[in-house]
Amino acid sequence: DTEVTQTPKHLVMGMTNKKSLKCEQHMGHRAMYWYKQKAKKPPELMFVYSYEKLSINESVPSRFSPECPNSSLLNLHLHALQPEDSALYLCASSQGWDRVSNEKLFFGSGTQLSVL
Amino acid sequence: GDSVTQMEGPVTLSEEAFLTINCTYTATGYPSLFWYVQYPGEGLQLLLKATKADDKGSNKGFEATYRKETTSFHLEKGSVQVSDSAVYFCARSEGDKLIFGTGTRLQVFP
Repeated sequence: DTEVTQTPKHLVMGMTNKKSLKCEQHMGHRAMYWYKQKAKKPPELMFVYSYEKLSINESVPSRFSPECPNSSLLNLHLHALQPEDSALYLCASSQGWDRVSNEKLFFGSGTQLSVL
Repeated sequence: GDSVTQMEGPVTLSEEAFLTINCTYTATGYPSLFWYVQYPGEGLQLLLKATKADDKGSNKGFEATYRKETTSFHLEKGSVQVSDSAVYFCARSEGDKLIFGTGTRLQVFP
């Protein structure tokens, strides 16, 4: 199994809603990532978890709250988002969090989020 | 300024045409360089990579050579297919992170 599975594929939410994005991999990877991709822009790193601990937070607003319940799962909890947060949210994983391992990222197909 | 610069798209080609997508980078030291591909409705996939100067990465008929003297990593394919239609992202390593370019959309018509 070489897949990274993200759910839901599409999400529409209001600015007062609370929702969660989910990501799952069963490749035994110990590093997992959240990226944000706006239309016609490159993916931008948000968070990195290594061995279920938060290693990188790229100055992301607190309305985005990541969680790594175990080595196979990664969640992104959303609360009080703004319309400008509408984007494709990509999850990725790699064998480890080091220069060699994270040179091969496995990406999910993303959650297309629209905030109204 | 930008640390990975790609040519603007879309690049529109007929099937079996020759493809070049330009990529240049700025970096201190010697980063690893990558091409990722994003097919419609999917996440990014690693297409090829090169880790040092003069290395050539290749996969599925695509090639790119790490040129230190011109700080470039241009993607080429001798004969494109309709199924190659996708967005192609050049990227470089920065420490333990990847920095992506803005992507180039390739459209191949029969």
